[in-house]
Amino acid sequence: EIVLTQSPGTLSLSPGERATLSCRASQSVPSTYLAWYQQKPGQAPRLLMYGISTRAAGIPDRFSGSGSGTDFSLTISRLEPEDFAVYSCQQYGSSPLTFGGGTKVEIK
Amino acid sequence: QVQLVESGGGVVQPGRSLRLSCAASGFTFSTYTMQWVRQAPGRGLEWVAVISYDGGIIYYADSVKGRFTISRANSRNTVYLQMSSLRTEDTAVYYCARDGSTEMGIKWYFDLWGRGTLVTVSS
Repeated sequence: EIVLTQSPGTLSLSPGERATLSCRASQSVPSTYLAWYQQKPGQAPRLLMYGISTRAAGIPDRFSGSGSGTDFSLTISRLEPEDFAVYSCQQYGSSPLTFGGGTKVEIK
Repeated sequence: QVQLVESGGGVVQPGRSLRLSCAASGFTFSTYTMQWVRQAPGRGLEWVAVISYDGGIIYYADSVKGRFTISRANSRNTVYLQMSSLRTEDTAVYYCARDGSTEMGIKWYFDLWGRGTLVTVSS
């Protein structure tokens, strides 16, 4: 099983700042099978990115994904108030598919 | 409106059963693979089960295999999760999610989620 470790656990930033979230895999993720999700309390999770760097429908271009092998990143170029949430990565190239523990982006 | 709405959660004793439902609307449900994902308190997300658009392909996580059954009723735009022999470690918010594929296969990422339903297994 591929274990995904996200860091940092919590990221305290101000609106307008740049956020860089890390997702590290215990072994290489096959192909480009990595996705990112956003979760807010009481709301349905939202797909942000799949295939490492393909934005899902309706996701603004301030969100970008990068990486390969075992190291992946989600970058939010300029934080908007609605971006403060928990972000989780997911690999789907190896069975069982697995998720990271999440990074909380909070208002500083 | 494109959405998924889960129901059926609650408090149940260990060893008992519970059935979750997920009602879909706003899209052609019968062409999509559907999945269940759960999140225990303070933990990350965990994949539970998948069912293809026609019910012909079904897979389960090892942690629930033999105890949980996923099914669907395309005429009702609904997917179900029958949970039996429940354990305290099954306590979680259960999310219904739409797979990122249609009848062309299973993509294994999730492009639409419900808000979840809480299942608490406790004596």
